[in-house]
Formats: sequence, C-alpha cells, structure tokens
Amino acid sequence: QVQLQESGPGLVKPSQTLSLTCTVSGGSINSGSHYWNWIRQPAGKGLEWIGRIWRSGDINYNPSLKTRVTISVDTSKNQFSLKLSSVTAADTAVYYCAREGLNDGRLDYWGQGTLVTVSS
Amino acid sequence: DIQMTQSPSSLSASVGDRVTITCQASQDISNYLNWYQQKPGKAPKLLIYDASNLETGVPSRFSGSGSGTDFTFTISSLQPEDIATYYCQHYDNLPYTFGQGTKLAIK
Repeated sequence: QVQLQESGPGLVKPSQTLSLTCTVSGGSINSGSHYWNWIRQPAGKGLEWIGRIWRSGDINYNPSLKTRVTISVDTSKNQFSLKLSSVTAADTAVYYCAREGLNDGRLDYWGQGTLVTVSS
Repeated sequence: DIQMTQSPSSLSASVGDRVTITCQASQDISNYLNWYQQKPGKAPKLLIYDASNLETGVPSRFSGSGSGTDFTFTISSLQPEDIATYYCQHYDNLPYTFGQGTKLAIK
C-alpha cells in the first residue's frame, strides 16, 4: 500500500522560506511511473495545485507561484520536497503531497496534509 | 488557466436521496476530469477519473458523466457517510485547477 507523509515546520515567519518534505513508502519515486505533486488548501477554502516532479527530471509549477517555488526529489531517500520563498500570511494553508498517474491525471494517493502557518 | 465552476456550492439532502453536482469548465477539456471527496480534517479521496470511471474500491452509488465543458457527479442514494465536500479537477493541461467545492449536508 502506497503511503505519503508530509513533514516540516508548522510555523514560518513572513519573508522566510517554507520547506516541506514528502516521504513515500510502498512505492518507488525512481520507478518513473508517476508524477509527485504538491497541493495546498487554505483553511475553509479550495484546493490549489502548486507543482509536480517526475523522478529527477521533468518539473512543472503553477505560474501563479513559479517565481517562489522549487520542487526537488531525493530518490535515494524516496522523498520529494517543496520550498516556497518569501512567504506571507496568504501562504498559510494545509499542504498536501500526492501521487499522480503518468498519463491519467489521477491524484490517487495523498498524504494526510500538514498545516503551515506564516506568522511572526 | 482553465476555470472550473461547480454548482451548487452547498446542498442539503436526505438519506436515500439522489444528489447531483455539476462542474463546468471554461474551455473544452474532453473527459479529462476527476472528482474527489474530502471529509473534514482529511485529504481528498479520488472517486471518479476520466469523468466517468469509478476508482477501485469506491461504492457504485457514485457516478460521473459528461465531456467537453459540462460534467455531472451523482450519488444515487445518499448515505450518512457521504457527508463531505466534493471537488472536480481538470487535467487537460497545466496548471491543474479545481472547482470551488460543493459542501454536502444531511437534512
């Protein structure tokens, strides 16, 4: 059974960089069979796609966040990571990592989500 | 970006009712549409992919239809455990976008 687990600081100061890691178990990022996504959800609001990475290659970002986002992967640890720079209160949200099929856009496995609050 | 518009934003129905949610895309997305269920404090769960295909393990009372710009999600007989917020999501191109959600309550 594939499982994803987000980890990282729950509190980040304004203007600093938010850093999260998603650890994948029950499946290998290095297999190249899936994309690995980040999605966020402010409290009481809808879902926003942040970006995705395929193995160590193809990376796609939401243009609305592209100047501030970096997604990377560590295949040796079966983890992928999100960095979001210059954060403001508007970046306060639950951040999810999720697996996506290569050719079908199905976000079929999700982490439980981690709340990141931007506050001084 | 493709805009996904769901309606209604909330609805209340009785156990056993047939419930229908619609999702409209701002441009033709063929059948590149998924539906998710999100319960409070939980991650979204994939229910329907490619507009009409039931994800493995999902009860058959859930169904989806449509293509192009107009899509429908149906629960044939509402159960108490179906109380959740439902989202549509397109994957025609990047960036993926989601509908604003439909919050379902029991009368």
